[in-house]
Amino acid sequence: QKEVEQNSGPLSVPEGAIASLNCTYSDRGSQSFFWYRQYSGKSPELIMFIYSNGDKEDGRFTAQLNKASQYVSLLIRDSQPSDSATYLCAVTGANNLFFGTGTRLTVIP
Amino acid sequence: GAVVSQHPSWVICKSGTSVKIECRSLDFQATTMFWYRQFPKQSLMLMATSNEGSKATYEQGVEKDKFLINHASLTLSTLTVTSAHPEDSSFYICSARPTGSHGYTFGSGTRLTVV
Repeated sequence: QKEVEQNSGPLSVPEGAIASLNCTYSDRGSQSFFWYRQYSGKSPELIMFIYSNGDKEDGRFTAQLNKASQYVSLLIRDSQPSDSATYLCAVTGANNLFFGTGTRLTVIP
Repeated sequence: GAVVSQHPSWVICKSGTSVKIECRSLDFQATTMFWYRQFPKQSLMLMATSNEGSKATYEQGVEKDKFLINHASLTLSTLTVTSAHPEDSSFYICSARPTGSHGYTFGSGTRLTVV
């Protein structure tokens, strides 16, 4: 399977701060990149997807992609306690998704 | 939005028995569905790709005779864990990608406990 690497954390940030989550991938041919959020005991839910180099913003979330460095990140602004979860980076293969191990984020009130 | 319905949400079974997990795409047709397994504090690992009307494609290290996949219609895929053992206890999740959608939609997952 393709390699997708994330820092497992845990990452702790105070409420209102910016949380920065990072991901690297091994396959230069990967075209699509996703960030999913997973609460304990639940299935993943899509936060953002990005295809092109650069930044993509959606509300408090910004995804950044650098294909030359094989790096994708997620910034969460004004972090809230409800953002506490595991964040999974995912990369598409031929017709499926390969996931990183996830980064556990804790937002401290 | 697109919904994938998965059930049961949890199941406890005795060692040696078989368990069937169902995933249905409720408002779209899914020619392909994906089955993942997630152990505690680990990421989702792709087990197999289920193809409507043809054999499933299994990832390396996944026993196809143990994890039977059937995708008999465009809206239903099933995973049967045969002769379950305690080490098969895990969180099983299915997903599909609706045509024209950017993201993959996940079922709610099935927590399997084998005792």
